[in-house]
Amino acid sequence: DVKVTQSSRYLVKRTGEKVFLECVQDMDHENMFWYRQDPGLGLRLIYFSYDVKMKEKGDIPEGYSVSREKKERFSLILESASTNQTSMYLCASSRNSPLHFGNGTRLTVT
Amino acid sequence: GDSVTQMEGPVTLSEEAFLTINCTYTATGYPSLFWYVQYPGEGLQLLLKATKADDKGSNKGFEATYRKETTSFHLEKGSVQVSDSAVYFCALDGHNNNDMRFGAGTRLTVKP
Repeated sequence: DVKVTQSSRYLVKRTGEKVFLECVQDMDHENMFWYRQDPGLGLRLIYFSYDVKMKEKGDIPEGYSVSREKKERFSLILESASTNQTSMYLCASSRNSPLHFGNGTRLTVT
Repeated sequence: GDSVTQMEGPVTLSEEAFLTINCTYTATGYPSLFWYVQYPGEGLQLLLKATKADDKGSNKGFEATYRKETTSFHLEKGSVQVSDSAVYFCALDGHNNNDMRFGAGTRLTVKP
């Protein structure tokens, strides 16, 4: 079974802090994704990566950056957290489709 | 661009009732279609999929048929259980840049 592990289930950060969300997958998948999930909006793609050191912007990249130094790890970075980034963040990986998701990180920015 | 529209919730049913959650899509080409389920406190899990027109995906008593003529992929289950309470997402893979499109999600609550 594919396992996608997100390092934190819950995070509380202050406005202006730099925040790192970590995601690791154990199936040697090329593709990794970061989504945010908000009520009534479904999942929106922030960034994705199809190879080490490669990244592509999704639909809502503003205020975020990513890092993919190793194939198994894909990090989402909030350079200066703001309250409108309070959300559930979901990491996923795939070789083709379907996507395999982690359990999510619920981030609250106060 | 590609998009998915699914029935707004929430949906509340009694145990053993029939479930339908509507999903329609817009896409160029020949997308693959999926239903994902999210149980409380968890990430999304693949429930079923269909990769071409007229395919029927099925799992755990749930079914959905890929209808190209109506651009639909409605989720059905003949007799829901309390344990089916979750949020259901319809999704589309247009095979372009590895980017899947998700619907807004439909919350289902099944009461005993």
